[in-house]
Amino acid sequence: KAGVTQTPRYLIKTRGQQVTLSCSPISGHRSVSWYQQTPGQGLQFLFEYFSETQRNKGNFPGRFSGRQFSNSRSEMNVSTLELGDSALYLCASSTLLAGPSYEQYFGPGTRLTVT
Amino acid sequence: AQSVTQLDSQVPVFEEAPVELRCNYSSSVSVYLFWYVQYPNQGLQLLLKYLSGSTLVKGINGFEAEFNKSQTSFHLRKPSVHISDTAEYFCAVSGTNFGNEKLTFGTGTRLTIIP
Repeated sequence: KAGVTQTPRYLIKTRGQQVTLSCSPISGHRSVSWYQQTPGQGLQFLFEYFSETQRNKGNFPGRFSGRQFSNSRSEMNVSTLELGDSALYLCASSTLLAGPSYEQYFGPGTRLTVT
Repeated sequence: AQSVTQLDSQVPVFEEAPVELRCNYSSSVSVYLFWYVQYPNQGLQLLLKYLSGSTLVKGINGFEAEFNKSQTSFHLRKPSVHISDTAEYFCAVSGTNFGNEKLTFGTGTRLTIIP
């Protein structure tokens, strides 16, 4: 079974621009979560989508948004980029919570550099 | 709210020696517990998880962890480390109820294996 894929893997943007990152979950997984990883703040939860609905949201400004499509693929968007948005953005997919098989499978991440 | 504390930011260990990476958590509700490993320029890979049942869980690459509810700990151990274990290790918790699956991570422990 193919793993979680994220595109692009690397991205360089300028302050003030916007960016869209894409995540394709494992086939059959309906939940997609996004995390931001930085050296200073570590791994922080951005938001989670399940069946095209945002179920949970972390403590990030409104410039960070996302959506999920009917095929479970997800995108996240960051508008008006700031230098502090430079980070590794990780996507994770999972099945429903209940059951011994529950876990989140992570993609390789998108490395965003804002200059 | 949940939180995770990894007391050691860096742990150097000689090759073939045993290692323990410490993790303590705080939560007002029941939790699932996870250990993830991150190799340079890669995403997160699940080492092992505790959902319920036996408090001693075994994972991949010879790692194991023990859930101690009274001490709210989930320490990771390996009896004999190899050079290939050099990586960053993250402890994480999630809720156990549907809709509360977001992962809260510790700040990570960088494991360095000394030849």
